[in-house]
Amino acid sequence: DIVMTQSPDSLAVSLGERATIRCKSSQSVLYSSTNKNYLAWFQQKPGQPPKLLLYWASTRESGVPDRFSGSGSGTEFTLTISSLQAEDVAVYYCQQYYSTPPWTFGQGTRVEIK
Amino acid sequence: QVQLVESGGGVVQPGRSLRLSCAASGFTFGSYAMHWVRQAPGKGLEWVAVISYDGSNQYYADSVKGRFTISRDNSKNTLYLQMNSLRGDDTAVYYCAKDGSGSRLDSWGQGTLVTVSS
Repeated sequence: DIVMTQSPDSLAVSLGERATIRCKSSQSVLYSSTNKNYLAWFQQKPGQPPKLLLYWASTRESGVPDRFSGSGSGTEFTLTISSLQAEDVAVYYCQQYYSTPPWTFGQGTRVEIK
Repeated sequence: QVQLVESGGGVVQPGRSLRLSCAASGFTFGSYAMHWVRQAPGKGLEWVAVISYDGSNQYYADSVKGRFTISRDNSKNTLYLQMNSLRGDDTAVYYCAKDGSGSRLDSWGQGTLVTVSS
C-alpha cells in the first residue's frame, strides 16, 4: 500500500499570509503514460464532510477559489493557500488514487489562524 | 447537482450488525463506482470499500474484510454497507463517496455516525 505522509501536522498562519502543506507518498503516483499525478487534496471543515479541492495534483475542482494551488510530481506535493482567509480554517488531507485498492490518505494537517 | 444522503447509523453492541444506506441523486448512479470512507472521532479518513458501477466487483480495506459487505441497487439509486461482527474500533462517521474520473472521490455525503458500544 502507498503511505501518504503530510507535514506539518498543524500550522497557524496570519490572515492574508501564505499557508503551505506538504505531502509525500511512499512511491510515485505519477502515471507515465498520461503524465498525470494521481493525487488529490481535500478540505474538511468542522462538522462537515471532506470537500475535493484539487485533483491531478494541481487541477482545481469547480468553484474552488484560485488562492488554493497544488504543485509537485512523483512523490512530493504541496498545497498552497496564497492568502489565508478565515473560512479556510480546516483540516486538509492529501490522497493518492494511483495504486488502488486501497485509496490512502495522509494523516491530515490542521490550519488555524495565528 | 450531486446529492448523497447516508442513513442507518446508530448505537449498536459489539458483535452485532448494522446496515447503512446511501441514497444518490443528481447524477447517473449506475454509471459510477461508489465508495465508503470512515472517520473515527477526532481521527483522519480511512477508506473502507468500493463497488464497481454495475456491482460486479468489490474491494475492501483489510480492517473490514470478511465482516463488511458493500452492495448497490441501481434501480433504487442506493448504495449499501452491511456491517457484521462490529467492534469498538468500527465506531466512526461513515461517508459514501462518488468515484470520479481517474478514480478520485469527487462528491461526498454528510455522513452517518455508527457507535459500537455495550
